[in-house]
Amino acid sequence: DQQVKQNSPSLSVQEGRISILNCDYTNSMFDYFLWYKKYPAEGPTFLISISSIKDKNEDGRFTVFLNKSAKHLSLHIVPSQPGDSAVYFCAGETSGSRLTFGEGTQLTVNP
Amino acid sequence: DTGVSQNPRHKITKRGQNVTFRCDPISEHNRLYWYRQTLGQGPEFLTYFQNEAQLEKSRLLSDRFSAERPKGSFSTLEIQRTEQGDSAMYLCASSLAFNPSNIMNTEAFFGQGTRLTVV
Repeated sequence: DQQVKQNSPSLSVQEGRISILNCDYTNSMFDYFLWYKKYPAEGPTFLISISSIKDKNEDGRFTVFLNKSAKHLSLHIVPSQPGDSAVYFCAGETSGSRLTFGEGTQLTVNP
Repeated sequence: DTGVSQNPRHKITKRGQNVTFRCDPISEHNRLYWYRQTLGQGPEFLTYFQNEAQLEKSRLLSDRFSAERPKGSFSTLEIQRTEQGDSAMYLCASSLAFNPSNIMNTEAFFGQGTRLTVV
């Protein structure tokens, strides 16, 4: 049962352009959604989160949008920088306990 | 360094051997989680502790797996009679839950993981 799904295994964008990473979920009980970034040989690093009662959260270059009716969220990075190249995981959280992750999207930002 | 620390970083073991991993969470964090990640997949939840109490275990955590957090600080994850299918990255994370009903829980901070290879 894949409760969180990231359908794009990879995404390539030019430096300075917008990166849009997408995530779909099936579990209506998620209270929060989080995005983590992962570099090779490191653990995931928290990036940004959004409560299920909100539809947008912004932090610097990163904005997360939540569409509850469509059970869809997206992460926008603008402008994209080469240092943003990493694997991005979307995760849903229930009652402040476990995280359920998607499969990840490899983002490559080309100079 | 005040982050989540995991040891060892890498472990190669023969099938059938037992292995134990250690996780030291961020000191003020009362929640500790174990996840497993295989190639091309996101981390999968295994179990978590609030202080020394193990509150939830995934169906992925077979009888061969056991986790402890005896004093509510560091945690160990032991795998007995390892199998080749156990080869994965084992990730530990910690967070701070302000109260048992989980209101205002902080995000989870991950360690660098222990990569297990069973040959």
